[in-house]
Amino acid sequence: EVQLVQSGAEVKKPGESLKISCKGSGYDFTKYWIAWVRQMPGKGLEWMGIIYPSDSDTKYSPSFQGQVTISADKSITTAYLQWRSLKASDTAIYYCARPSDGFDYWGQGTLVTVSS
Amino acid sequence: DIQMTQSPSTLSASVGDRVTITCRASQSIDIWLAWYQQKPGKTPKLLIYKASTLQTGVPSRFSGTGSGTEFTLTISSLQPDDFATYYCQQYDDYWTFGQGTKVEIK
Repeated sequence: EVQLVQSGAEVKKPGESLKISCKGSGYDFTKYWIAWVRQMPGKGLEWMGIIYPSDSDTKYSPSFQGQVTISADKSITTAYLQWRSLKASDTAIYYCARPSDGFDYWGQGTLVTVSS
Repeated sequence: DIQMTQSPSTLSASVGDRVTITCRASQSIDIWLAWYQQKPGKTPKLLIYKASTLQTGVPSRFSGTGSGTEFTLTISSLQPDDFATYYCQQYDDYWTFGQGTKVEIK
């Protein structure tokens, strides 16, 4: 069974750093891209970027380029989304998903709350 | 960037109604379009890909049509479980979501 399991909810202060994770199982992790999607409170879905775990080839949406870093460790079938300095506007649910035809599998989401 | 515009933003309907949601792309995306359903507090669920192919396990009352720049999602007979928000997504050039259509109870 294909599964993407994300790390738990985080509460951070503005300016702090954060790295959340997404662990894939039940399929060959190195053969599929992993995408990250943001959903701000009460808002829609926004594609942030993707990574190919086999070679760590990474592409970012222009809206998120320079704001976050996507990485992966294929040895532990895990992808990451990282911030160096969080802002209150980063408060959102972050999903990882597997692009195939559309995004066929999704993680359960990680709620990130940034508040002073 | 390819922009996706859904209409309407909100739709009020009753159980048994036929419901249609439209999605327009800012440029041609051939058939590279997916539709998702999201319920409050839940993960999005893929319903349709390649504009008209039903994902495994999705009820046949859902259908998708279109190509190029204009697409529709139709629910032939709305069921209580279908009240949710629906998103289109293009994947011809990276990925872009529409802003969503909330289907609410009339």
